[in-house]
Amino acid sequence: QKEVEQDPGPLSVPEGAIVSLNCTYSNSAFQYFMWYRQYSRKGPELLMYTYSSGNKEDGRFTAQVDKSSKYISLFIRDSQPSDSATYLCAMAFSNDYKLSFGAGTTVTVRA
Amino acid sequence: SAVISQKPSRDICQRGTSLTIQCQVDSQVTMMFWYRQQPGQSLTLIATANQGSEATYESGFVIDKFPISRPNLTFSTLTVSNMSPEDSSIYLCSAGTSGGGYNEQFFGPGTRLTVL
Repeated sequence: QKEVEQDPGPLSVPEGAIVSLNCTYSNSAFQYFMWYRQYSRKGPELLMYTYSSGNKEDGRFTAQVDKSSKYISLFIRDSQPSDSATYLCAMAFSNDYKLSFGAGTTVTVRA
Repeated sequence: SAVISQKPSRDICQRGTSLTIQCQVDSQVTMMFWYRQQPGQSLTLIATANQGSEATYESGFVIDKFPISRPNLTFSTLTVSNMSPEDSSIYLCSAGTSGGGYNEQFFGPGTRLTVL
């Protein structure tokens, strides 16, 4: 079993739709949960991170962590064609620099 | 934040040869890392580049195959040695500064390697 599981998609949605992405994980000791966005032929860039359980909102992006279910989500509201990218979840233990990544979900927002 | 550049951006190499990838950060950072990203797979950490000492390798990666240097706080190199087609991948450098708790990592654009 992989430490972090993420459905690779691909996911195609019309402009303005809500994009829902999620990851599951097996190690309950993870404390930090990140979402990275990676455009084609670019490196990943951090979108958001959340510590422990709860929700975090940043503009059109909302991250949710449910530690009891070992499940994290990213929602993108009012999606735009510029949101078309691969979204990677990542997790880390507290005070540890090592990141465990999901495989990434490729999202296409159709104009 | 940190801006990271990598050279080369891409290369096509012959089996049995070696390629050295350079990573430059625009500010001093505590930590530098090397990852591999294969199609459809997660980013996999190869090693942590330690300034002034030998790199720390993850399970499945060895120094003879992936020698790493880090002569200062802003620069590191990764060499992919005696390459085979299985080494075809994207190699990414990342960097960050430890400060307790969450340690954000910034990524370079990657080096796309094809081995024939």
